[in-house]
Amino acid sequence: GGIITQTPKFLIGQEGQKLTLKCQQNFNHDTMYWYRQDSGKGLRLIYYSITENDLQKGDLSEGYDASREKKSSFSLTVTSAQKNEMAVFLCASSPQLGNYAEQFFGPGTRLTVL
Amino acid sequence: GEQVEQRPPHLSVREGDSAVITCTYTDPNSYYFFWYKQEPGASLQLLMKVFSSTEINEGQGFTVLLNKKDKRLSLNLTAAHPGDSAAYFCAVSAGNSNNRIFFGDGTQLVVKP
Repeated sequence: GGIITQTPKFLIGQEGQKLTLKCQQNFNHDTMYWYRQDSGKGLRLIYYSITENDLQKGDLSEGYDASREKKSSFSLTVTSAQKNEMAVFLCASSPQLGNYAEQFFGPGTRLTVL
Repeated sequence: GEQVEQRPPHLSVREGDSAVITCTYTDPNSYYFFWYKQEPGASLQLLMKVFSSTEINEGQGFTVLLNKKDKRLSLNLTAAHPGDSAAYFCAVSAGNSNNRIFFGDGTQLVVKP
């Protein structure tokens, strides 16, 4: 078994601030993902990475940067937080290249922008 | 790209009743299907993974049906109990979608005692 850790659990920022969210997995999975989940809504893909140093844009990449520093970690940066923004950011990883492998999710980072 | 529509967005049933959640998808090449459960305040947990070759898949207290002709996937909780109250998400993947899976918008299920 393994685990996905996301830090911080709660993040409060100011409008215009640059904010970084971190994700670590010890599954030794190749692929990692960042999703945004708004209250009562589905998941929207921001960025994903199929291997170390790889980066692929998802459907919602504008306003975000990401970095796959090493196989086990994938960070997401909100480049300029928007006032009244509230969402949960979910990190996920997948064991192998290919679409038949399920994604394992972390507990999420809950963002509030004042 | 793939589009996944999930219905209903909200579902309330009594304990012991069945609850059915349905997803339709657009890509005829879709081959892998997933159902996730998200309890309040928690992250997503995989409920079942379904391959295109199997039309009926049974889990503990639920059945997943796949109709490839209609491009429809459904989750049927056969006798719901309050512990089933959660958000449920379907997800669909095609062989050429570059490691992506596409999620439905979710169904918020409430099971009343």
